[in-house]
Amino acid sequence: DTGVSQNPRHKITKRGQNVTFRCDPISEHNRLYWYRQTLGQGPEFLTYFQNEAQLEKSRLLSDRFSAERPKGSFSTLEIQRTEQGDSAMYLCASSLDRGARNIQYFGAGTRLSVL
Amino acid sequence: RKEVEQDPGPFNVPEGATVAFNCTYSNSASQSFFWYRQDCRKEPKLLMSVYSSGNEDGRFTAQLNRASQYISLLIRDSKLSDSATYLCVVNSDRGSTLGRLYFGRGTQLTVWP
Repeated sequence: DTGVSQNPRHKITKRGQNVTFRCDPISEHNRLYWYRQTLGQGPEFLTYFQNEAQLEKSRLLSDRFSAERPKGSFSTLEIQRTEQGDSAMYLCASSLDRGARNIQYFGAGTRLSVL
Repeated sequence: RKEVEQDPGPFNVPEGATVAFNCTYSNSASQSFFWYRQDCRKEPKLLMSVYSSGNEDGRFTAQLNRASQYISLLIRDSKLSDSATYLCVVNSDRGSTLGRLYFGRGTQLTVWP
């Protein structure tokens, strides 16, 4: 069984650089979510896709952030011109659309450190 | 005001103890409720869904009080392996926000021998 897979697991970058993360959801899941988690806080929603359509974006997702899911399978999250405040764990989750009670399964996350 | 409020703890209890966590949520229209468990530097994992009638899974019991917008988790006979952060989670069903999960900041539990 392959769960949600995220790459890379860790990323260290210098301020001002661009970074891209990848998420491979559970294969039959049509919904894919991105969250960000900082130390001592719960995950915060960034954006989500139903198939290839990006249906919602949080105000946390500034114009430096962009997410894609071109074929409704894997997704990428890009951060341009990284800032130290972008340092966090970026979590991807997927679910199968079952109305309100859709249970989301999380990947192990990508930990970003911006120096 | 945050969507989900949770006491961060920490709770430090001996093995065998019973411990209870609570949280409150602000959106009265919310329909789905969960407890997730997160080990240190790991991803959140679903512990259990919370149903209106209350539900039990082994040593874990979850309760929902819609009138008070209050969710609880009771752990009986605590084990060392229960040490983790417990996240209270609400799924908002408000139209365009359907699918988004709102997380509390988590309650840290340490069970000591």
